[in-house]
Amino acid sequence: DAGVTQSPTHLIKTRGQQVTLRCSPKSGHDTVSWYQQALGQGPQFIFQYYEEEERQRGNFPDRFSGHQFPNYSSELNVNALLLGDSALYLCASSPVKGSGNTIYFGEGSWLTVV
Amino acid sequence: KNEVEQSPQNLTAQEGEFITINCSYSVGISALHWLQQHPGGGIVSLFMLSSGKKKHGRLIATINIQEKHSSLHITASHPRDSAVYICAVRSGGSNYKLTFGKGTLLTVNP
Repeated sequence: DAGVTQSPTHLIKTRGQQVTLRCSPKSGHDTVSWYQQALGQGPQFIFQYYEEEERQRGNFPDRFSGHQFPNYSSELNVNALLLGDSALYLCASSPVKGSGNTIYFGEGSWLTVV
Repeated sequence: KNEVEQSPQNLTAQEGEFITINCSYSVGISALHWLQQHPGGGIVSLFMLSSGKKKHGRLIATINIQEKHSSLHITASHPRDSAVYICAVRSGGSNYKLTFGKGTLLTVNP
């Protein structure tokens, strides 16, 4: 059983460009959350998707948007990239019911903005 | 002041030592997670607690809801335990996000 898978693992973008990061949740999980982790810091919550809708959002600008598909996979889009967007982007999935709300994380996507 | 504070920030131990990492939080919570992050970036959930104590192998996690404090203990530490350990809390109700501490970098020397 594959856990949470994210792609790409590493990417380099130029300021002003747009990026799309992808996440496939663990089998049986229908809730996907995205986090941004700057170097030396703990992850910061971006948003969570459930039933193809954004259920909660953290303190991130509208340049950060997302989507969840019927198969529960999710995308994170960032427009007009800034140097400060360079970070590790983590996807986490969890089941709504059962399993004690255990959460699983992907390996992350390392984004560098130059 | 951060909602979740961890101590120490860095910890170096000799193989075999008993290790304690502490986490204090300032909000009411429905659950607290202890997570392990290796240099590659991936995060593994070690424990999820809402009360009491949990044990898995050499790892023990405790939580005191009244004092808003949790501890992660590692018995008989090993170099492979070297990683960043992160405490994260979920506030509960309709709040689904996790709020993370900054992590504790543990280095266990042989």
